[in-house]
Amino acid sequence: QKEVEQNSGPLSVPEGAIASLNCTYSDRGSQSFFWYRQYSGKSPELIMSIYSNGDKEDGRFTAQLNKASQYVSLLIRDSQPSDSATYLCAVSKGGGGADGLTFGKGTHLIIQP
Amino acid sequence: GAVVSQHPSWVICKSGTSVKIECRSLDFQATTMFWYRQFPKQSLMLMATSNEGSKATYEQGVEKDKFLINHASLTLSTLTVTSAHPEDSSFYICSAAGPQGNTEAFFGQGTRLTVV
Repeated sequence: QKEVEQNSGPLSVPEGAIASLNCTYSDRGSQSFFWYRQYSGKSPELIMSIYSNGDKEDGRFTAQLNKASQYVSLLIRDSQPSDSATYLCAVSKGGGGADGLTFGKGTHLIIQP
Repeated sequence: GAVVSQHPSWVICKSGTSVKIECRSLDFQATTMFWYRQFPKQSLMLMATSNEGSKATYEQGVEKDKFLINHASLTLSTLTVTSAHPEDSSFYICSAAGPQGNTEAFFGQGTRLTVV
């Protein structure tokens, strides 16, 4: 059974610090990896996608992928109160649009002003 | 980015009635759309894959006769919850592959269904 595991938190980080979010997955056939941000009562919003081992940076966000360890992470630099949300890790065997996504339960992140 | 619109945003219905939720790709064609369900404090769970012009593919444990999916055009998929019961109350979200190919999925705003 495909599983994506995340620490549910809450993870509390001071404003301006680096928030580190982690995710592990069980299906070695997974090829696409995504981080979504979800505010309460809202639909997920894509933050980052990563497809190959290593780091991918986009503004304040850095995604890291290690397929050998089946591990994905998201770093948020210079954390802002507006970053407070639930962060969902999702994986897919194909592209995120070609195949459905398997989501983790999410990590609730709180940025303390 | 690609826009996926879902309607209605919320709906309250009586137990035993049916509810239809629409998912539209506004500025692109989507041959494949996905339907997810999210219970409170839980993650999104894939219910089914909707393919234009063919039958939907349902995930294990999802009743296809209860959750009817129709993907009649390249811009519209509908999910009908038939004979709804209170345990069907949930947040239903659709997604579609973006116009640049199948690398990313774009989500609709979701539909909050409450069955009373």
